[in-house]
Amino acid sequence: TQLLEQSPQFLSIQEGENLTVYCNSSSVFSSLQWYRQEPGEGPVLLVTVVTGGEVKKLKRLTFQFGDARKDSSLHITAAQPGDTGLYLCAGPGGSNYKLTFGKGTLLTVNP
Amino acid sequence: KAGVTQTPRYLIKTRGQQVTLSCSPISGHRSVSWYQQTPGQGLQFLFEYFSETQRNKGNFPGRFSGRQFSNSRSEMNVSTLELGDSALYLCASSGQGAAYNEQFFGPGTRLTVL
Repeated sequence: TQLLEQSPQFLSIQEGENLTVYCNSSSVFSSLQWYRQEPGEGPVLLVTVVTGGEVKKLKRLTFQFGDARKDSSLHITAAQPGDTGLYLCAGPGGSNYKLTFGKGTLLTVNP
Repeated sequence: KAGVTQTPRYLIKTRGQQVTLSCSPISGHRSVSWYQQTPGQGLQFLFEYFSETQRNKGNFPGRFSGRQFSNSRSEMNVSTLELGDSALYLCASSGQGAAYNEQFFGPGTRLTVL
């Protein structure tokens, strides 16, 4: 079973600060996805990274896929309270029809 | 396009009972997956259906079962409920154009077992 470890587990910061969260594995993944889940809702897909070394930007969010495709990071610039949520990474779980999720990073951005 | 819908949103049951949860995928999506989310274990894959066939199954006991209908709507059933089954159950659909199995999630059903 391919496992995804996310760190930190919890992160509480002030509005305007920058932050990075990580998603690591000992296995190679053909692709990784990042989702954000807000309280009372299901996860929402933010981005998919597929090429080693790839960098994708979504407004103030920057996603990077490691060169060896074993890790990924999410950097948020000038965090806002609306960024609050659970950030999850996910990758193929040994099958094209199954996703394995990390346990997530719970981010709180205080005004 | 309407999103994934799940009913009911909240459910309270007692140990030993059974429960059926329902999921309607995004129109045109034929793949439906189910996940269990708990604070301790995170999101864990239950099973995935495509065109009424189960294509993949996670490591859950046989008390957890599912099915998919010809209109792609799906149900999951949990029999002989245990306290540990209390969780958020999420349904997700995926379209055939999703190259990397990107999932569109519903809001979930919060199941509490007393």
